[in-house]
Amino acid sequence: GEDVEQSLFLSVREGDSSVINCTYTDSSSTYLYWYKQEPGAGLQLLTYIFSNMDMKQDQRLTVLLNKKDKHLSLRIADTQTGDSAIYFCADYNFNKFYFGSGTKLNVKP
Amino acid sequence: NAGVTQTPKFQVLKTGQSMTLQCAQDMNHNSMYWYRQDPGMGLRLIYYSASEGTTDKGEVPNGYNVSRLNKREFSLRLESAAPSQTSVYFCASINREMNTEAFFGQGTRLTVV
Repeated sequence: GEDVEQSLFLSVREGDSSVINCTYTDSSSTYLYWYKQEPGAGLQLLTYIFSNMDMKQDQRLTVLLNKKDKHLSLRIADTQTGDSAIYFCADYNFNKFYFGSGTKLNVKP
Repeated sequence: NAGVTQTPKFQVLKTGQSMTLQCAQDMNHNSMYWYRQDPGMGLRLIYYSASEGTTDKGEVPNGYNVSRLNKREFSLRLESAAPSQTSVYFCASINREMNTEAFFGQGTRLTVV
């Protein structure tokens, strides 16, 4: 099956940019997603990108996709304490979602 | 509100007990999923149902059974609960033809003692 990998932790200061990275193995992936999970809550979709795109921007969020390296990143500009959460990268392929282990973002005031 | 509804939100079971986790969506989605979330392991797929009347195993199906009762409902059953099944369970649904957003329920926190 597909492997999706992320680093487990990231710590930034309020106002800085955060960059969360993800790698995946299946080159036939069609859609790649970023989900946010706050403590005790379900998963909230932040953004997604089609596999034929290189970049997608949505307000403070920028997603970059490098298909050659199978690398996906999420940049959060002007990170706020409310952005503290776990961020999951997910790959949708052949009717299934494959999730990374999640990156816990800690934003220090 | 439209979305995915899971019940119960919390459950404590004794080893060997059985229970069914319920999931319903009102978005007319064809595909539904059950995941478990464990610390440091992300979400792992237990079973999924690509359409009404079909179910398939995911990565970690052992110890579980599912039923796609109709297009709206997809239940997960633990026949004989084990402590290793202590986890948070999430149901999700997607409109497969649209291939856009998967909607998740709020989760069921299950503890097996």
